[in-house]
Amino acid sequence: AQSVTQLDSQVPVFEEAPVELRCNYSSSVSVYLFWYVQYPNQGLQLLLKYLSGSTLVKGINGFEAEFNKSQTSFHLRKPSVHISDTAEYFCAVSRQDGTASKLTFGTGTRLQVTL
Amino acid sequence: DAGVTQSPTHLIKTRGQQVTLRCSPKSGHDTVSWYQQALGQGPQFIFQYYEEEERQRGNFPDRFSGHQFPNYSSELNVNALLLGDSALYLCASTASSTNSPLHFGNGTRLTVT
Repeated sequence: AQSVTQLDSQVPVFEEAPVELRCNYSSSVSVYLFWYVQYPNQGLQLLLKYLSGSTLVKGINGFEAEFNKSQTSFHLRKPSVHISDTAEYFCAVSRQDGTASKLTFGTGTRLQVTL
Repeated sequence: DAGVTQSPTHLIKTRGQQVTLRCSPKSGHDTVSWYQQALGQGPQFIFQYYEEEERQRGNFPDRFSGHQFPNYSSELNVNALLLGDSALYLCASTASSTNSPLHFGNGTRLTVT
C-alpha cells in the first residue's frame, strides 16, 4: 500500500515570495508522483507529474517539484507566488502499473497568499 | 472540447435514502474513477470502471456501487445513506491506451441530513 504525508496543513506567504510545499510518501513498490491544485468549489487540476527521467519536473503556472528517491520526497516549489495561487494543493502517488491506476492523496496543504 | 462533467452539482438527501451521481468523461477517455472527498481531507479512491466493469475498488462498503455505460459515462450509487457520506464526490477520467494522468470534474456536493 502507498501513503502520502503533507507536512503542512496551511502555508501563509506574502505575494512575490518563494514557497515550498512539502510532500513525503511511503510505498513498497515504485510509484508515479503528482501534484494537483484545487480552487474553491472546483475539482482537481494537475500541476505536474513525475513518471521517470529527470528528477526536476516543471509544471504549469511556474511550479516545479523535485523527486528525491532516497528521502522519499516530492516537494513543490514556486520562486514567486501570486494572489491567484491561493488554493488547496494535494500531493498524490500511484503504483507504476499505469497512470490509470488509483491515486492515493495526502490531506492537502492550504496555500494562502496575501499582499 | 468538454472536460469531465458531473451532475448534479449539489444534492441534499436524508439518512437512509439512496442517491445516484452521474459523470461524463472527457472526450476520448474510456476509464472512469470515482473519489470521495470529505471536508478538509484529500480525495479517497472509491472504484474504477473500464469496459463497463469494475476494475479496482478502494476500501468502501458495498453500499457504494457503480456502473459504466457503452458510451463510457458512469454512475455512482450510494444506498442507505449515512451522515458520514456527506462529501464532495469527484469523477475522474483517463484514456487507457495512453500515459495520460487523470482529469477531474468539478464534483457533486452531497449533503446527508
